[in-house]
Amino acid sequence: DVKVTQSSRYLVKRTGEKVFLECVQDMDHENMFWYRQDPGLGLRLIYFSYDVKMKEKGDIPEGYSVSREKKERFSLILESASTNQTSMYLCASSLGGGGNQPQHFGDGTRLSIL
Amino acid sequence: AQSVTQLDSHVSVSEGTPVLLRCNYSSSYSPSLFWYVQHPNKGLQLLLKYTSAATLVKGINGFEAEFKKSETSFHLTKPSAHMSDAAEYFCVVSGGRSSASKIIFGSGTRLSIRP
Repeated sequence: DVKVTQSSRYLVKRTGEKVFLECVQDMDHENMFWYRQDPGLGLRLIYFSYDVKMKEKGDIPEGYSVSREKKERFSLILESASTNQTSMYLCASSLGGGGNQPQHFGDGTRLSIL
Repeated sequence: AQSVTQLDSHVSVSEGTPVLLRCNYSSSYSPSLFWYVQHPNKGLQLLLKYTSAATLVKGINGFEAEFKKSETSFHLTKPSAHMSDAAEYFCVVSGGRSSASKIIFGSGTRLSIRP
Protein backbone atom coordinates (compact mmCIF):
# COMPACT_ATOMS: atom_id res chain seq x y z
CA ASP A 1 0.00 0.00 0.00
CA VAL A 2 1.08 3.54 -0.74
CA LYS A 3 1.92 5.54 2.32
CA VAL A 4 1.89 9.32 2.30
CA THR A 5 3.25 10.77 5.51
CA GLN A 6 2.81 14.35 6.61
CA SER A 7 5.32 15.42 9.23
CA SER A 8 2.87 17.03 11.68
CA ARG A 9 -0.78 16.36 12.49
CA TYR A 10 -1.20 19.65 14.37
CA LEU A 11 0.88 22.80 14.16
CA VAL A 12 0.53 26.21 15.80
CA LYS A 13 2.55 29.14 14.48
CA ARG A 14 2.55 32.90 14.81
CA THR A 15 1.75 35.56 12.21
CA GLY A 16 4.80 36.43 10.11
CA GLU A 17 6.65 33.17 10.75
CA LYS A 18 8.02 31.09 7.90
CA VAL A 19 6.31 27.70 8.08
CA PHE A 20 7.36 24.42 6.49
CA LEU A 21 4.98 21.52 5.92
CA GLU A 22 6.65 18.29 4.85
CA CYS A 23 5.24 15.36 2.92
CA VAL A 24 6.90 12.07 2.02
CA GLN A 25 5.57 9.23 -0.16
CA ASP A 26 7.07 5.77 -0.42
CA MET A 27 5.78 4.49 -3.78
CA ASP A 28 7.97 6.31 -6.29
CA HIS A 29 5.06 8.41 -7.54
CA GLU A 30 5.82 11.14 -10.05
CA ASN A 31 2.96 13.46 -9.07
CA MET A 32 2.59 15.19 -5.74
CA PHE A 33 0.00 17.72 -4.62
CA TRP A 34 -0.71 20.18 -1.84
CA TYR A 35 -4.33 21.07 -1.06
CA ARG A 36 -6.00 23.09 1.61
CA GLN A 37 -9.40 22.09 2.93
CA ASP A 38 -11.78 24.59 4.47
CA PRO A 39 -15.41 24.13 5.56
CA GLY A 40 -17.78 24.95 2.73
CA LEU A 41 -14.95 25.37 0.21
CA GLY A 42 -13.91 21.75 -0.30
CA LEU A 43 -10.38 20.95 -1.44
CA ARG A 44 -8.45 23.60 -3.30
CA LEU A 45 -5.16 22.91 -5.07
CA ILE A 46 -2.26 25.06 -3.94
CA TYR A 47 0.61 23.54 -5.94
CA PHE A 48 1.28 20.45 -8.00
CA SER A 49 4.60 18.83 -8.91
CA TYR A 50 4.99 16.30 -11.73
CA ASP A 51 8.71 15.64 -11.32
CA VAL A 52 11.71 16.60 -9.24
CA LYS A 53 12.22 20.36 -9.33
CA MET A 54 9.08 20.78 -11.49
CA LYS A 55 5.97 22.53 -10.22
CA GLU A 56 2.74 24.10 -11.37
CA LYS A 57 0.63 26.66 -9.59
CA GLY A 58 -2.78 25.48 -8.56
CA ASP A 59 -5.87 27.55 -7.87
CA ILE A 60 -4.63 29.40 -4.78
CA PRO A 61 -0.80 29.68 -4.83
CA GLU A 62 -0.59 33.19 -3.35
CA GLY A 63 1.37 33.26 -0.11
CA TYR A 64 2.79 29.77 -0.66
CA SER A 65 5.80 28.22 -2.34
CA VAL A 66 6.94 24.61 -2.74
CA SER A 67 10.11 22.60 -3.00
CA ARG A 68 10.72 19.20 -4.54
CA GLU A 69 14.40 18.35 -4.41
CA LYS A 70 13.84 14.59 -4.16
CA LYS A 71 11.15 12.51 -5.80
CA GLU A 72 9.68 11.26 -2.54
CA ARG A 73 9.48 14.60 -0.71
CA PHE A 74 7.29 17.63 -1.40
CA SER A 75 7.44 20.61 0.93
CA LEU A 76 4.95 23.44 1.26
CA ILE A 77 6.29 26.76 2.52
CA LEU A 78 4.29 29.62 3.95
CA GLU A 79 6.69 32.52 3.40
CA SER A 80 5.10 34.80 6.01
CA ALA A 81 2.21 33.12 7.75
CA SER A 82 -1.07 34.99 8.09
CA THR A 83 -4.23 34.15 10.02
CA ASN A 84 -6.16 33.46 6.82
CA GLN A 85 -3.82 30.52 6.21
CA THR A 86 -5.26 28.70 9.20
CA SER A 87 -6.58 25.53 7.60
CA MET A 88 -6.27 21.78 7.11
CA TYR A 89 -3.49 20.99 4.62
CA LEU A 90 -3.55 17.73 2.70
CA CYS A 91 -0.71 16.23 0.70
CA ALA A 92 -1.34 13.62 -2.01
CA SER A 93 0.63 11.63 -4.56
CA SER A 94 -0.22 9.71 -7.73
CA LEU A 95 1.46 7.89 -10.58
CA GLY A 96 2.62 9.98 -13.50
CA GLY A 97 0.65 10.78 -16.59
CA GLY A 98 -2.67 12.55 -16.66
CA GLY A 99 -5.45 12.87 -14.17
CA ASN A 100 -6.74 9.34 -14.58
CA GLN A 101 -4.63 7.97 -11.76
CA PRO A 102 -6.10 7.84 -8.25
CA GLN A 103 -4.52 10.00 -5.60
CA HIS A 104 -3.21 8.76 -2.26
CA PHE A 105 -3.58 11.19 0.63
CA GLY A 106 -1.79 11.80 3.88
CA ASP A 107 -3.77 12.30 7.09
CA GLY A 108 -3.41 16.07 6.92
CA THR A 109 -1.82 18.84 8.96
CA ARG A 110 -4.17 21.09 10.88
CA LEU A 111 -2.35 24.42 10.95
CA SER A 112 -3.34 27.30 13.20
CA ILE A 113 -1.81 30.74 12.73
CA LEU A 114 -2.18 32.99 15.77
CA ALA B 1 -13.89 22.79 -19.03
CA GLN B 2 -14.74 20.44 -16.23
CA SER B 3 -16.99 20.69 -13.22
CA VAL B 4 -18.54 18.42 -10.63
CA THR B 5 -21.64 18.96 -8.51
CA GLN B 6 -22.57 16.95 -5.48
CA LEU B 7 -26.27 17.49 -5.19
CA ASP B 8 -26.61 17.00 -1.44
CA SER B 9 -24.40 18.54 1.21
CA HIS B 10 -25.80 16.22 3.89
CA VAL B 11 -27.53 12.83 3.70
CA SER B 12 -28.90 10.99 6.72
CA VAL B 13 -30.04 7.35 6.58
CA SER B 14 -30.86 4.65 9.10
CA GLU B 15 -28.48 1.79 9.66
CA GLY B 16 -29.31 -1.10 7.33
CA THR B 17 -31.06 1.05 4.70
CA PRO B 18 -29.70 1.95 1.24
CA VAL B 19 -27.35 4.86 0.66
CA LEU B 20 -27.47 7.14 -2.40
CA LEU B 21 -25.00 9.99 -2.81
CA ARG B 22 -25.54 11.97 -5.99
CA CYS B 23 -22.90 13.41 -8.29
CA ASN B 24 -23.21 15.15 -11.67
CA TYR B 25 -20.25 16.13 -13.78
CA SER B 26 -19.33 17.93 -16.95
CA SER B 27 -16.21 17.35 -18.98
CA SER B 28 -14.96 18.21 -22.44
CA TYR B 29 -13.04 14.94 -22.53
CA SER B 30 -13.82 11.35 -21.71
CA PRO B 31 -13.71 11.76 -17.97
CA SER B 32 -12.10 9.79 -15.23
CA LEU B 33 -14.33 9.79 -12.16
CA PHE B 34 -13.56 8.90 -8.58
CA TRP B 35 -15.26 8.69 -5.21
CA TYR B 36 -13.23 9.25 -2.07
CA VAL B 37 -14.20 8.96 1.59
CA GLN B 38 -12.83 11.06 4.44
CA HIS B 39 -13.33 10.04 8.05
CA PRO B 40 -12.87 12.70 10.76
CA ASN B 41 -9.32 13.99 11.09
CA LYS B 42 -8.11 11.71 8.32
CA GLY B 43 -7.03 12.10 4.71
CA LEU B 44 -9.11 11.00 1.75
CA GLN B 45 -9.26 7.32 0.84
CA LEU B 46 -10.16 6.04 -2.62
CA LEU B 47 -13.50 4.18 -2.71
CA LEU B 48 -13.67 3.49 -6.44
CA LYS B 49 -12.75 4.86 -9.86
CA TYR B 50 -14.19 4.88 -13.37
CA THR B 51 -11.80 5.14 -16.30
CA SER B 52 -13.89 4.15 -19.36
CA ALA B 53 -14.11 0.42 -18.71
CA ALA B 54 -17.31 -1.07 -17.22
CA THR B 55 -19.98 1.52 -16.43
CA LEU B 56 -20.85 -0.15 -13.11
CA VAL B 57 -17.87 0.17 -10.82
CA LYS B 58 -17.49 -1.76 -7.60
CA GLY B 59 -15.43 -0.33 -4.80
CA ILE B 60 -14.39 -1.07 -1.28
CA ASN B 61 -16.72 -1.56 1.70
CA GLY B 62 -19.69 -2.58 -0.46
CA PHE B 63 -19.97 0.71 -2.36
CA GLU B 64 -20.56 0.92 -6.08
CA ALA B 65 -21.22 3.64 -8.64
CA GLU B 66 -22.74 3.71 -12.10
CA PHE B 67 -21.43 5.94 -14.87
CA LYS B 68 -24.34 7.26 -16.93
CA LYS B 69 -23.07 9.32 -19.84
CA SER B 70 -26.55 10.37 -21.02
CA GLU B 71 -27.31 11.81 -17.58
CA THR B 72 -23.72 12.96 -16.86
CA SER B 73 -24.04 11.31 -13.47
CA PHE B 74 -21.88 9.10 -11.29
CA HIS B 75 -23.98 8.37 -8.21
CA LEU B 76 -22.58 6.35 -5.31
CA THR B 77 -24.72 3.63 -3.74
CA LYS B 78 -24.58 1.00 -1.05
CA PRO B 79 -27.38 -1.50 -0.36
CA SER B 80 -27.15 -1.40 3.42
CA ALA B 81 -25.59 1.36 5.50
CA HIS B 82 -23.34 0.61 8.43
CA MET B 83 -22.48 2.93 11.29
CA SER B 84 -18.86 2.96 10.12
CA ASP B 85 -19.96 4.56 6.83
CA ALA B 86 -20.53 7.89 8.57
CA ALA B 87 -18.02 10.22 6.89
CA GLU B 88 -17.59 12.88 4.21
CA TYR B 89 -17.69 11.69 0.60
CA PHE B 90 -16.14 13.46 -2.38
CA CYS B 91 -16.89 12.99 -6.06
CA VAL B 92 -13.92 13.88 -8.28
CA VAL B 93 -13.61 14.38 -12.04
CA SER B 94 -10.58 14.71 -14.23
CA GLY B 95 -10.23 14.99 -17.95
CA GLY B 96 -8.45 11.68 -18.34
CA ARG B 97 -5.34 12.63 -20.25
CA SER B 98 -5.38 16.22 -19.12
CA SER B 99 -2.88 17.35 -16.56
CA ALA B 100 -3.20 15.95 -13.08
CA SER B 101 -3.49 19.55 -11.94
CA LYS B 102 -6.94 19.68 -13.59
CA ILE B 103 -8.54 17.31 -11.12
CA ILE B 104 -11.76 18.82 -9.77
CA PHE B 105 -13.22 17.94 -6.37
CA GLY B 106 -16.87 18.20 -5.49
CA SER B 107 -17.83 20.13 -2.39
CA GLY B 108 -18.53 16.93 -0.45
CA THR B 109 -21.53 15.13 1.03
CA ARG B 110 -21.63 14.39 4.72
CA LEU B 111 -23.24 11.02 5.39
CA SER B 112 -24.82 10.46 8.79
CA ILE B 113 -26.09 7.06 9.92
CA ARG B 114 -28.95 6.83 12.44
CA PRO B 115 -28.94 3.81 14.78
